[in-house]
Amino acid sequence: DAGVIQSPRHEVTEMGQEVTLRCKPISGHDYLFWYRQTMMRGLELLIYFNNNVPIDDSGMPEDRFSAKMPNASFSTLKIQPSEPRDSAVYFCASSLRQGVNGYTFGSGTRLTVV
Amino acid sequence: GNSVTQMEGPVTLSEEAFLTINCTYTATGYPSLFWYVQYPGEGLQLLLKATKADDKGSNKGFEATYRKETTSFHLEKGSVQVSDSAVYFCALSHPQGGSEKLVFGKGTKLTVNP
Repeated sequence: DAGVIQSPRHEVTEMGQEVTLRCKPISGHDYLFWYRQTMMRGLELLIYFNNNVPIDDSGMPEDRFSAKMPNASFSTLKIQPSEPRDSAVYFCASSLRQGVNGYTFGSGTRLTVV
Repeated sequence: GNSVTQMEGPVTLSEEAFLTINCTYTATGYPSLFWYVQYPGEGLQLLLKATKADDKGSNKGFEATYRKETTSFHLEKGSVQVSDSAVYFCALSHPQGGSEKLVFGKGTKLTVNP
């Protein structure tokens, strides 16, 4: 298995532009999580899905952020419009009933908004 | 609610020194406990886990024992190497509590000098 695949690895964009981050979870995993990591706030859970349905989006910072999971093998996190304070590393993770086995994380997307 | 508290870093050690990173948790019942490691520029990787009291998780020379009486899951390694330099996260999951979310500590940065 190739693991959780995220793209792009790095993204530099100008303030006000739309940014779309992509994630392909491990085949067969039924949970998908989006995290944001910064030096100031550490690791923050933004949203998670179960069987493609959003379960908890209470961590999404504001309406500029949206996430979708149109099928079991693909999810997107979109920021529109982007702001410099959105600069962070965004991780996607997937799991199969994480209560016992934890999550498998992707390598992350480093987003810089200038 | 469920929470995890880790010792604050950074921790700096010389090669072959003994490592302990403290982790305590707050949760009802019997959560599953995890240690994750994040190497520079990478996502989090599961290092070890324990799912019930007195279980010992181990991997790559690291160990942690699930102590219900002290609500702790301290990470130890007898002889660290330069390649162990990374950020270490303690985490718990408690699906019986009705949530599938992993709760992470803030992370402890370890630097091992030759």
